[in-house]
Amino acid sequence: AQKVTQAQTEISVVEKEDVTLDCVYETRDTTYYLFWYKQPPSGELVFLIRRNSFDEQNEISGRYSWNFQKSTSSFNFTITASQVVDSAVYFCALSEAIAQGGSEKLVFGKGTKLTVNP
Amino acid sequence: EAGVTQSPTHLIKTRGQQATLRCSPISGHTSVYWYQQALGLGLQFLLWYDEGEERNRGNFPPRFSGRQFPNYSSELNVNALELEDSALYLCASSLATGPNTGELFFGEGSRLTVL
Repeated sequence: AQKVTQAQTEISVVEKEDVTLDCVYETRDTTYYLFWYKQPPSGELVFLIRRNSFDEQNEISGRYSWNFQKSTSSFNFTITASQVVDSAVYFCALSEAIAQGGSEKLVFGKGTKLTVNP
Repeated sequence: EAGVTQSPTHLIKTRGQQATLRCSPISGHTSVYWYQQALGLGLQFLLWYDEGEERNRGNFPPRFSGRQFPNYSSELNVNALELEDSALYLCASSLATGPNTGELFFGEGSRLTVL
């Protein structure tokens, strides 16, 4: 069975600090996708990134970076120079890869609530 | 372009009643997903509809049901409400053509409170 663990329930930092959100996953699939979503107070989930299991290259997008390590089944998310607007709940998710018309059934972690204080 | 819209924003019901939640996907998206976000349980996959048919279902009892209309909008029905059904219900849509992409676009959710 697939499982995603986000061990950090809540993190609080001061603006401009760097912060890393941890994500560890379990799956028996050899091909799968990993995701990060952001849920601001408004409630809607905002897609941040998708990574497939064959692409272990780390990615950077502005202040955001992701470190995918298949050997440790981890897909960690780092925010550099955090800002108050980064305050949100962040979810890591996993889905199996289905070749055609597959379900977007995502298995989510329980989320990490990040609070960035001014 | 309008995003995924959900109604109502808030709904209060009592135990045993029925609740109906609605979702309009992004224009051009044919797949609609429902997730339940209950306190302490995280986001749980409920249902997936594509082209008017139920394609997949999460581990929820049959009193959770829904449908997708010809215009791809969707309805989630929860019968015989129980206190633990209180949650934020999130709808998401995607194109779902070819290999799955995982890029779901979520609405702001409908918060159901069961008293």
